[in-house]
Amino acid sequence: DAGVIQSPRHEVTEMGQEVTLRCKPISGHDYLFWYRQTMMRGLELLIYFNNNVPIDDSGMPEDRFSAKMPNASFSTLKIQPSEPRDSAVYFCASSVTGGVQPQHFGDGTRLSIL
Amino acid sequence: QQQVKQSPQSLIVQKGGISIINCAYENTAFDYFPWYQQFPGKGPALLIAIRPDVSEKKEGRFTISFNKSAKQFSLHIMDSQPGDSATYFCAASGGYQKVTFGIGTKLQVIP
Repeated sequence: DAGVIQSPRHEVTEMGQEVTLRCKPISGHDYLFWYRQTMMRGLELLIYFNNNVPIDDSGMPEDRFSAKMPNASFSTLKIQPSEPRDSAVYFCASSVTGGVQPQHFGDGTRLSIL
Repeated sequence: QQQVKQSPQSLIVQKGGISIINCAYENTAFDYFPWYQQFPGKGPALLIAIRPDVSEKKEGRFTISFNKSAKQFSLHIMDSQPGDSATYFCAASGGYQKVTFGIGTKLQVIP
C-alpha cells in the first residue's frame, strides 16, 4: 500500500519567494496533519484537517502560512513570502477516525530558504 | 509552553545496553501516550503506545513504563542494537486525533 506521499522532497529557494508543499494522504484516511520539524523546537503541529475541513490552525506561525485541502486526496501548505527562519523539514501525516489512531507520516520536505 | 517534556535530547549507549528515555506531561486530560521512531531522511513511525490504565507495556525489546500519579512515562530499549539508532519522540493525546510531541531524543548505539 502506498504511504503518505509528499513533494517535493527538497526545496531550495530565495527569501521572498512563494513556496508550495504538497501532500497525498493514505486513501481512506480522513485526518490530515501538517508538522514542522526543527532542532530547536522538535515536531510542531501547524494545522490539521478532518474530512477536508480545517479543525485547528492554532499552530500556524504567521499569516504568511496557509494550508488547503481541496479534496480527500490532496493538501497543500503554502508560505508566501518565505523567510530564512522558515527553513525546516515539513511533514504531512494522515490517520483514520476511530478512537486514537496512529498517524502515518510522509518522508517530509526539507525546505531551505536562502 | 512545552506540554510534553522529554529527556535526554541525545543518548549514546553501547551495543547490548539499556537505553532509557524519559517524558513528563502536565495535562491530566491526556489519555494516550505513543512513542514514535524516526530514522534519518524518514518521517516518524509509531513504535509502541500505552494508555494510563496500565503501568507497563512490552513489545519485544521495547517497554513503556507509566506512572500516572507522577505524570511520567519512559521508554526502555533492552539489548540495544546499532539498528536502533534513531530519534525517538514521546507524545500524548487527549482522546482525539491531535497529538503533542516531545522534543525528541537522538539515540546512538555504538558497537
